[in-house]
Amino acid sequence: DIQMTQSPSSVSASVGDRVTITCRASQGVSGWLAWYQQKPGKAPKLLISGASSLLSGVPSRFSGSGSGTDFTLTISSLQPEDFAIYYCQQGNSFPLTFGGGTKVEIK
Amino acid sequence: QVQLVESGGGVVQPGRSLRLSCAASGFTFRSYGMHWVRQAPGKGLEWVAGIWYDGSNENYADSVKGRFTISRDNSKNTLYLQMNSLRAEDTALYYCAKDIQLYYFDYWGQGTPVTVSS
Repeated sequence: DIQMTQSPSSVSASVGDRVTITCRASQGVSGWLAWYQQKPGKAPKLLISGASSLLSGVPSRFSGSGSGTDFTLTISSLQPEDFAIYYCQQGNSFPLTFGGGTKVEIK
Repeated sequence: QVQLVESGGGVVQPGRSLRLSCAASGFTFRSYGMHWVRQAPGKGLEWVAGIWYDGSNENYADSVKGRFTISRDNSKNTLYLQMNSLRAEDTALYYCAKDIQLYYFDYWGQGTPVTVSS
């Protein structure tokens, strides 16, 4: 199974800050990686697929990059509505696996 | 608009069975793969099982293989998860999720809670 490791597990940041979250796969997943945002009491929301393709309606302050084993999610200017937990997920092979999550908190 | 509505969750004793359902609407159900993803209280996301658009192929997480069965009825636009031999560690909120055709999940239901406890 492919293990997905996210870092940091939590980050405290202020509105307007640039935030970067890292996701590392235990083996190469090519570009088969997605990022999700989950707010308390809500289902996850798909933000990015194929490592860097922004879903329709997702603000352009979100961006993704990487391939192989190392990926990043960047929020260029953090907004109040961005405080949430972010998960990466590999779609390269079964079983599909998620990272442990990164909680973005208000500083 | 796409809607996924799960049902069938509840409190069940260890070793017993439960069947979850997910009613889909707002898209051509028979054209998309579907999945179950769970989230234990206060924990992260765990993919449980997936099924191809036509039901011809299924995949499972190691933690549920041999105990859970995913199925679908395209005539009823409904996804199912039959859960047998339930364990305490199966306690979670179970989400139904639509595949974007790339093994990512673009729409999710609101989840149905399953609690396994004596």
